[in-house]
Amino acid sequence: ETGVTQSPTHLIKTRGQQVTLRCSSQSGHNTVSWYQQALGQGPQFIFQYYREEENGRGNFPPRFSGLQFPNYSSELNVNALELDDSALYLCASSLEQNTEAFFGQGTRLTVV
Amino acid sequence: AQSVTQLDSQVPVFEEAPVELRCNYSSSVSVYLFWYVQYPNQGLQLLLKYLSGSTLVKGINGFEAEFNKSQTSFHLRKPSVHISDTAEYFCAVSEDFGNEKLTFGTGTRLTIIP
Repeated sequence: ETGVTQSPTHLIKTRGQQVTLRCSSQSGHNTVSWYQQALGQGPQFIFQYYREEENGRGNFPPRFSGLQFPNYSSELNVNALELDDSALYLCASSLEQNTEAFFGQGTRLTVV
Repeated sequence: AQSVTQLDSQVPVFEEAPVELRCNYSSSVSVYLFWYVQYPNQGLQLLLKYLSGSTLVKGINGFEAEFNKSQTSFHLRKPSVHISDTAEYFCAVSEDFGNEKLTFGTGTRLTIIP
């Protein structure tokens, strides 16, 4: 059983650009949640996908969007990047809704 | 809306000494409480969780926490720390059964002094 894997591990983008982050869920997990962790802060919930549908969203603007694919892997897309988007982005997958979530190691995004 | 306050941003402790990391929460409904650990350049690992039942919860690596509803607290304790416990610790709350859609505190950095 493989764990949650995220790619890339590090990324540098310029303000105004767009970025796509990827998450491969743990085997058999159909629920994926994304979190943003700014430096020195706790993670903040962005949104969750369950069986390819968005299932809850935190306080993030529409330029943060996501997808979940039939194999339950997921993408986080951020448009019009701002300097404050620099953070560690964490993906967590769970077997079903309302079960324990397992976190990946994250993608560190730096916006310059 | 729910929120979590971790009262100490940094806690230095001598090796083999006991430690308590404090966490208070606020919520208008019943909550589920969690402690996570984050080692440098790593994701989050679940230490323990309170969903219902006994207010004293035991987790991995010798940690335990006590849920106190009247004081809205969920403090994390370990009777004897080890160098390997050096990490960032996050308290989190969820209104969903399980640990999805978590609201995290700002974290406590635990430093173990040899």
